[in-house]
Formats: sequence, structure tokens, C-alpha cells
Amino acid sequence: ETGVTQTPRHLVMGMTNKKSLKCEQHLGHNAMYWYKQSAKKPLELMFVYSLEERVENNSVPSRFSPECPNSSHLFLHLHTLQPEDSALYLCASSTTGVRDEKLFFGSGTQLSVL
Amino acid sequence: SQQGEEDPQALSIQEGENATMNCSYKTSINNLQWYRQNSGRGLVHLILIRSNEREKHSGRLRVTLDTSKKSSSLLITASRAADTASYFCATVFQGAQKLVFGQGTRLTINP
Repeated sequence: ETGVTQTPRHLVMGMTNKKSLKCEQHLGHNAMYWYKQSAKKPLELMFVYSLEERVENNSVPSRFSPECPNSSHLFLHLHTLQPEDSALYLCASSTTGVRDEKLFFGSGTQLSVL
Repeated sequence: SQQGEEDPQALSIQEGENATMNCSYKTSINNLQWYRQNSGRGLVHLILIRSNEREKHSGRLRVTLDTSKKSSSLLITASRAADTASYFCATVFQGAQKLVFGQGTRLTINP
């Protein structure tokens, strides 16, 4: 295990639902990330938090809302999603958030939007 | 696009053979990283090679970097069925603020 835990592993939701993805890291890291991985597309960076402060938001639609209450926990709140949002959502952490650090990934949440 | 591009997109070899995957990029980099992803799982970091390094080893893995050709290769020697996975290169381009991943090479090791 990498020390980064994501729940749930699988999620099926309708377009009108509200759900949240959770990520927890046990590595003592100060930076956490959300990535989206769609079929046949490169990993897309969505959000970066460093010391609980959002430092990057890559033009992500407002139906995705991140929350980082402390350096060990990261959430992604979902509401009124579209079918094209179906993807594997990966959480990652790194020591300080310096741009060329190696990342530690969780196993991901496979999201299906019906 | 600035991202690294892996080649080939898919590779299928027999167990015991060596597997070589390549990554090309377009602008100057500070370092280059390789990650592995088993199907439907998260990525696992394999090796980081800095722009002033030419070669790095980790167990059965050998990574080379040629900054003049803007390319890197990942060699897996004596492949095993457990090496079946997708392999991604990731780079931080000079002046950029984030790690950018390529689309990956899907490696299949046949028993």
C-alpha cells in the first residue's frame, strides 16, 4: 500500500445526486492532489492543496468542489454531474508540493454517472 | 501539447524477455519520472531521473535520459507476468508548475 487511502472504490450516481469522495494520507505529507483519468486520455490534474490551501485549480467545472480540512484529508464533493464525468478519480500526496516531487497515489474511485 | 508521449502505445512480449518503452517531450525539463499503473488502480512511482543524469537503475528497471534528443527510455529486464501494467512518463517543464503525464504504454507479459 502507498499510504494513501481513497473511499469509496466504486461509485454509481445519478446526475441529480450529491456525493463525496474521500482521501486520507498517512505519510505526513503537506500537499494533496486530485487527478481525473478518463479512458484514452492522459491524467488531468484537477486541484492541488499545499498546507491546506488550494494552490491550483485547473479550470475544473464548479460541479466539482474540493475541500481540504487538514493536511491528511482531502474531499471531492460532487453535484449535478454529467455522464462525461465518469472516470477514475485519483488522489495523490507529496511531501511539500514542490513541483517536481514524486507523487504517492491512492487506488482511486471509479465513478459512473448515469 | 507539452506532455510526454510514450511509444509504443501497447507492447506485448513473452515472459523473460526485456521490455523497452520510450518517452519523448518537447521542451526543457527539470526531471522526468516513470510510474506504473495496474488496471483500475493508482499509479506507483518507479524512478525519477534529473536533467543532469543520463542513466539510473532500480532492480530490474533501467531508465535513460537524453536531453539533446528530448527523450527517455524505460527498460524492464527479465520481464514477469506481474509487470503487466501501464507505464507513464511524467515531466515538469521548466517554468511550469505541475507534473504532466503522458498517455502511457500498455505492457502485457505473456506467460
